[in-house]
Amino acid sequence: EAQVTQNPRYLITVTGKKLTVTCSQNMNHEYMSWYRQDPGLGLRQIYYSMNVEVTDKGDVPEGYKVSRKEKRNFPLILESPSPNQTSLYFCASSKRPDRTRAYEQYFGPGTRLTVT
Amino acid sequence: RKEVEQDPGPFNVPEGATVAFNCTYSNSASQSFFWYRQDCRKEPKLLMSVYSSGNEDGRFTAQLNRASQYISLLIRDSKLSDSATYLCVVNRLSGSARQLTFGSGTQLTVLP
Repeated sequence: EAQVTQNPRYLITVTGKKLTVTCSQNMNHEYMSWYRQDPGLGLRQIYYSMNVEVTDKGDVPEGYKVSRKEKRNFPLILESPSPNQTSLYFCASSKRPDRTRAYEQYFGPGTRLTVT
Repeated sequence: RKEVEQDPGPFNVPEGATVAFNCTYSNSASQSFFWYRQDCRKEPKLLMSVYSSGNEDGRFTAQLNRASQYISLLIRDSKLSDSATYLCVVNRLSGSARQLTFGSGTQLTVLP
């Protein structure tokens, strides 16, 4: 079954304690992306990756890091989480967008993070 | 001005009603348009792409108006299962990548 998986699904942590949210896809997609979703603000892109070892900042990258060492995995790292990073996080993947179009993004089930 | 704007609703309609959502976008260079559906606390899923000539998928019809920079979604014969948040999504050129910008969503509740 084609899918995007994320772990953990729920996480409560304290300020400053480093954490990693994993994301994996089995569709051989080149493009992967992380979003956060907050009430009234919609989905905002944190980082994206066009291919292995190619990552770039989205709209709200501050306080986050990513890596893309393998095609299927795109972990999101919070080196020193703060309460304003409490949010619902989604990983997504798609075919690589080109200069003429973007493609359907497939989303993981989401990770609900609370930082106290 | 937001890149993608939607009326947040909520839209409360009776079963069987026809309901329409509009969405405006600010980047005239956008070329890919989508409607996604998001159920409460779940991940967004593609409902339909929006093509220049308009397109229909069962009870759902999507239209694009490039001159006025808006897209619309029409749902006919609403079902209880249509209750969800509908996200308007537009691509934008950013460096070498075409990224997607999501609207904040329009909440629909279909009432029995």
